[in-house]
Amino acid sequence: RKEVEQDPGPFNVPEGATVAFNCTYSNSASQSFFWYRQDCRKEPKLLMSVYSSGNEDGRFTAQLNRASQYISLLIRDSKLSDSATYLCVVTRNTGGFKTIFGAGTRLFVKA
Amino acid sequence: NAGVTQTPKFQVLKTGQSMTLQCAQDMNHNSMYWYRQDPGMGLRLIYYSASEGTTDKGEVPNGYNVSRLNKREFSLRLESAAPSQTSVYFCASSEREVGAGRRQYFGPGTRLTVT
Repeated sequence: RKEVEQDPGPFNVPEGATVAFNCTYSNSASQSFFWYRQDCRKEPKLLMSVYSSGNEDGRFTAQLNRASQYISLLIRDSKLSDSATYLCVVTRNTGGFKTIFGAGTRLFVKA
Repeated sequence: NAGVTQTPKFQVLKTGQSMTLQCAQDMNHNSMYWYRQDPGMGLRLIYYSASEGTTDKGEVPNGYNVSRLNKREFSLRLESAAPSQTSVYFCASSEREVGAGRRQYFGPGTRLTVT
């Protein structure tokens, strides 16, 4: 079982739709959590960090549930430009520093 | 600011050849990282350098060596390339080791094919 798991999708949604992605992690010692966005054949770029209290950045809302060991990303009012792969990232510093990337969830937003 | 730069962008090697991937950052970051990305898998950490003068193994270090040449530069060397090392390689940097709110900045990647 992978330490960080995501539904690979693809999610196909129309413009204006709301879409949610979940990511589960298996190591309870995980300390920091992020969502990155990766466009086709490009490098990952930070979308947002995820805090225990939840956080919002415009149309994007991230939540962390430590008890159930999952994080979520909600995208409201989807735009064509939101089409990308969304990567869940978890870090911890037990037995050495580790950054673990999920394999990503692909999103296609259609006109 | 160029951010994180990587050279080369593309490379084809024959099995057994060696090469060095170069990475540089101009953000005065302390920590630097090398990842590989394979289809259907998340990025996997090869090596990282928490600060100038230190390097540590990540998840998949076998077959690779690294050098933190100075604060700006962190190179990845393949001594004897194997087809299993065909991948996209990303270099990244962060102000310090990634923690709460400390983002990583990625370079554009090197696409390596080993035949």
